[in-house]
Amino acid sequence: NAGVTQTPKFRILKIGQSMTLQCAQDMNHNYMYWYRQDPGMGLKLIYYSVGAGITDKGEVPNGYNVSRSTTEDFPLRLELAAPSQTSVYFCASSHDRGPYRELFFGEGSRLTVL
Amino acid sequence: GENVEQHPSTLSVQEGDSAVIKCTYSDSASNYFPWYKQELGKRPQLIIDIRSNVGEKKDQRIAVTLNKTAKHFSLHITETQPEDSAVYFCAATSVYNNAGNMLTFGGGTRLMVKP
Repeated sequence: NAGVTQTPKFRILKIGQSMTLQCAQDMNHNYMYWYRQDPGMGLKLIYYSVGAGITDKGEVPNGYNVSRSTTEDFPLRLELAAPSQTSVYFCASSHDRGPYRELFFGEGSRLTVL
Repeated sequence: GENVEQHPSTLSVQEGDSAVIKCTYSDSASNYFPWYKQELGKRPQLIIDIRSNVGEKKDQRIAVTLNKTAKHFSLHITETQPEDSAVYFCAATSVYNNAGNMLTFGGGTRLMVKP
């Protein structure tokens, strides 16, 4: 199993540009999440999904959109990039067998908006 | 919503010494407290967790303690080694009140173990 795969690993955007961060998992997990990690800060939840076709906002959803058309994929769309979106983005997934669920993270995508 | 505070933000210890990282949470309904370790440039990974029905859990050199009354929990690492150097995150959630099992993370502690 590859686990959780994110692309791209690095990207530089200009202010106002848009892009999609891709996330795929091959563990048949129903739960998927997008977090952002700012320097010296913890992980903040952007969006999450409990299954295909179902998404919901986390703590910091403004400026982002997600979709979940399949169990495997959970892309994160940035519209009109702003310097405040400079961050490292982590996608994660977890199973739904029981209430105590380990998060499996991807390797992260480092985004810089200039 | 839940708020998790973590201290200290950085911690430097000599190899072989112990390290303690503390977290407080605000929501008395929280009942699951995992700890994640993130090595430099790597993804966070779960190292240990504790549920609200126990006060302490050990796994080799690491242990977690939970004080529900005071709403705080701690990570203890004994006999630290250079490979323990990393950023450690605590987190909290209420597994029964939370459809997405969303974790609230602390701000992280950068642990440096000096050889």
